[in-house]
Amino acid sequence: EAGVAQSPRYKIIEKRQSVAFWCNPISGHATLYWYQQILGQGPKLLIQFQNNGVVDDSQLPKDRFSAERLKGVDSTLKIQPAKLEDSAVYLCASSLKLGWGTEDIYEQYFGPGTRLTVT
Amino acid sequence: GENVEQHPSTLSVQEGDSAVIKCTYSDSASNYFPWYKQELGKRPQLIIDIRSNVGEKKDQRIAVTLNKTAKHFSLHITETQPEDSAVYFCAASTGGDSGYSTLTFGKGTMLLVSP
Repeated sequence: EAGVAQSPRYKIIEKRQSVAFWCNPISGHATLYWYQQILGQGPKLLIQFQNNGVVDDSQLPKDRFSAERLKGVDSTLKIQPAKLEDSAVYLCASSLKLGWGTEDIYEQYFGPGTRLTVT
Repeated sequence: GENVEQHPSTLSVQEGDSAVIKCTYSDSASNYFPWYKQELGKRPQLIIDIRSNVGEKKDQRIAVTLNKTAKHFSLHITETQPEDSAVYFCAASTGGDSGYSTLTFGKGTMLLVSP
């Protein structure tokens, strides 16, 4: 099966500029995640969608970050305006679903990521 | 929220030796514990996972153990090979108010296997 697709793979922008990332999840996966991975750290969840609804955006800096998943398939993550500390790899992941029950959990598949450098 | 601590941050072993990476979590309600391997410049990939109703799981050279009472879980790699060199992340899944669970990752362990 085709994996999670992301674009662009690399982006260099100056601070205060805006940037957008795109993600296409695995076909049929209802749950989509955006993670931020700063060099030397583990992925940090920014936002989680179930179909086209947001189920967790508690760690999303909403003053500058926004995300949408129209029609419950593709998703875009936007940063406006960017800061130096936003330099990181932005990973998109998808899963069939991620429920609460012990048996209601499905593997998350990650995309290749977008490496953002803010200068 | 959930907090996952992982150690060591770096682990160097000789080929053929065993490697053990340990993680602790804070939320006793967490019920799913995956381990991801991330090679340099690549995406994280699931290598093994364990659910809270199981104490141990093994897949060829890798195994994971879970101690719910102590709230810690460990990854064991036996007969290490140079291609095992990568960064390994543990994670814990905990539920949110929405009813959907989310993953919290540890900071990672860089495993170096020398020939």
